[in-house]
Amino acid sequence: QQPVQSPQAVILREGEDAVINCSSSKALYSVHWYRQKHGEAPVFLMILLKGGEQKGHEKISASFNEKKQQSSLYLTASQLSYSGTYFCGTPYSGAGSYQLTFGKGTKLSVIP
Amino acid sequence: GAGVSQSPSNKVTEKGKDVELRCDPISGHTALYWYRQSLGQGLEFLIYFQGNSAPDKSGLPSDRFSAERTGGSVSTLTIQRTQQEDSAVYLCASSLGVSTHSPLHFGNGTRLTVT
Repeated sequence: QQPVQSPQAVILREGEDAVINCSSSKALYSVHWYRQKHGEAPVFLMILLKGGEQKGHEKISASFNEKKQQSSLYLTASQLSYSGTYFCGTPYSGAGSYQLTFGKGTKLSVIP
Repeated sequence: GAGVSQSPSNKVTEKGKDVELRCDPISGHTALYWYRQSLGQGLEFLIYFQGNSAPDKSGLPSDRFSAERTGGSVSTLTIQRTQQEDSAVYLCASSLGVSTHSPLHFGNGTRLTVT
């Protein structure tokens, strides 16, 4: 099943902070985060693993709450380069199958 | 090193024609994935390969869609009798293996327009 992301869109001024949430109705073992700039391919940011530590990439960090089946992406002191659409992906494996299903994305716009 | 390569980058076709989209993954990556992204939408999972086999084809939208992978490398996504609703960007990704721990590396996609 597709994870649910919130908010759908957010506009920030440079230097402001933002949080993007990703929730799943199924048990999560890991959560992937990707960023896609307009007209470009999605780019991997980080993977959060069950029982793992909070990850970081530049001034972007993320947490993983297994009990709540939720991950949150934290963007601190945002820069113009952070603009893009952020996708979380939740892997599912079972019965010999594997899927990495993505949420619908959160569009982040950072303005001067 | 070289990333995931997709061709063509753009394809315009008439309704009813067949199209083939190609993906050349990163060397050494055993897992390969196809996604579809409609305008302003998210990433719709289509199919994945582990080596040359595709264990789960349930993500393919209809029987007009098929995919194969040969030699554990290049993959081709074929859409027969294209329809206007097939218009989208088709993204290919590869990873070291099929694992919840393996990040995906995406190609730049093929933008398909069906007229």
